[in-house]
Amino acid sequence: NAGVTQTPKFQVLKTGQSMTLQCAQDMNHEYMSWYRQDPGMGLRLIHYSVGAGITDQGEVPNGYNVSRSTTEDFPLRLLSAAPSQTSVYFCASRERRDTGELFFGEGSRLTVL
Amino acid sequence: SQQGEEDPQALSIQEGENATMNCSYKTSINNLQWYRQNSGRGLVHLILIRSNEREKHSGRLRVTLDTSKKSSSLLITASRAADTASYFCATVERETSGSRLTFGEGTQLTVNP
Repeated sequence: NAGVTQTPKFQVLKTGQSMTLQCAQDMNHEYMSWYRQDPGMGLRLIHYSVGAGITDQGEVPNGYNVSRSTTEDFPLRLLSAAPSQTSVYFCASRERRDTGELFFGEGSRLTVL
Repeated sequence: SQQGEEDPQALSIQEGENATMNCSYKTSINNLQWYRQNSGRGLVHLILIRSNEREKHSGRLRVTLDTSKKSSSLLITASRAADTASYFCATVERETSGSRLTFGEGTQLTVNP
């Protein structure tokens, strides 16, 4: 199993541009989520999904969209990038929708100029 | 808002010594988890302890949980240079569908050879 795969690893955007961070897992996990990690802020939950067709907002959802058309994929879309979205983004999944350990991808480092 | 707060923020020890990191949280929890993050990598799950458990072991790791004080500690015994990483605690308030893990800001551990 590859686990949780994120692409791209690095991206530089200009303010106002849009992009999609890809996340795929091959463990048939029900739950998938996106976090952002900023210095001194720990990890903050952006959006999550408990199954195909079901998504919900986390702590910091503004400026981000998600969809879950398949069990495997959970892309994160930035509609109009802002410098405040400069961060490291992590996708994480877990087997059950209610509890258990999270499996993390390697992260996507995004810089918005 | 951050549920868990790790203490200390940074810890530097010599190889062979024990390392203790503490985590305090604010609300009642169902379980508490510890994760490790090597520089530039994703988080890796170390151990999960439930609210009705007081102590748990895994290899050189020992985790304690005191729900009356809303605190947990992670002890790494006989540390190695390879243990150098950031360590995060994360709490789950209720095991419901989509239950969230709320992360602290982490403790940076440096083990000097």
